[in-house]
Amino acid sequence: SQELEQSPQSLIVQEGKNLTINCTSSKTLYGLYWYKQKYGEGLIFLMMLQKGGEEKSHEKITAKLDEKKQQSSLHITASQPSHAGIYLCGAFTNAGKSTFGDGTTLTVKP
Amino acid sequence: GAGVSQSPSNKVTEKGKDVELRCDPISGHTALYWYRQSLGQGLEFLIYFQGNSAPDKSGLPSDRFSAERTGGSVSTLTIQRTQQEDSAVYLCASSFSAAGGGWPHNEQFFGPGTRLTVL
Repeated sequence: SQELEQSPQSLIVQEGKNLTINCTSSKTLYGLYWYKQKYGEGLIFLMMLQKGGEEKSHEKITAKLDEKKQQSSLHITASQPSHAGIYLCGAFTNAGKSTFGDGTTLTVKP
Repeated sequence: GAGVSQSPSNKVTEKGKDVELRCDPISGHTALYWYRQSLGQGLEFLIYFQGNSAPDKSGLPSDRFSAERTGGSVSTLTIQRTQQEDSAVYLCASSFSAAGGGWPHNEQFFGPGTRLTVL
């Protein structure tokens, strides 16, 4: 089965700093999703990446998919306290079975 | 519009009892997913429905777990003879399906979850 490993497991940054979260797959990535979860709240969809080399941005968050490396990275520019939360990457098979990483907990210090 | 709703929001039960968790997907979403999230853990995929059928049930942890979906809408996840290790937040998500049900699966909208505690 496909496994996703996220790094780092947790991250503490000063407000205004940039940061990167990585998601590495044990198998070929056909596509990948990034979600954000805040304590006590549901998961919020961030981005879906479908093609190798694809890069998407939303506000200050950019995600890239490197099919050769079987890896995706999520980059946040000029972090804000509102960016704090748990970031999860997820991948799906054509049969619908999905796998998620264990998450990266981001803390942004004011 | 209304999002994915789940009920109950919290459920405390005694070991050995059966529980039923309900998910109401967003209207028009044909795909429905159940996940489990234990304390401090990531999301564990349980089952996926395309319409009323579940192509892959291998994610269900044991034969005590079952799920059904009727009318292509509401889904129930049933756990029989609950054990303490079943304690977790059970999340449901729904989405539009890609043509033919294959990749890519569209954005999933998650419900708030049901927190299950087995004493």
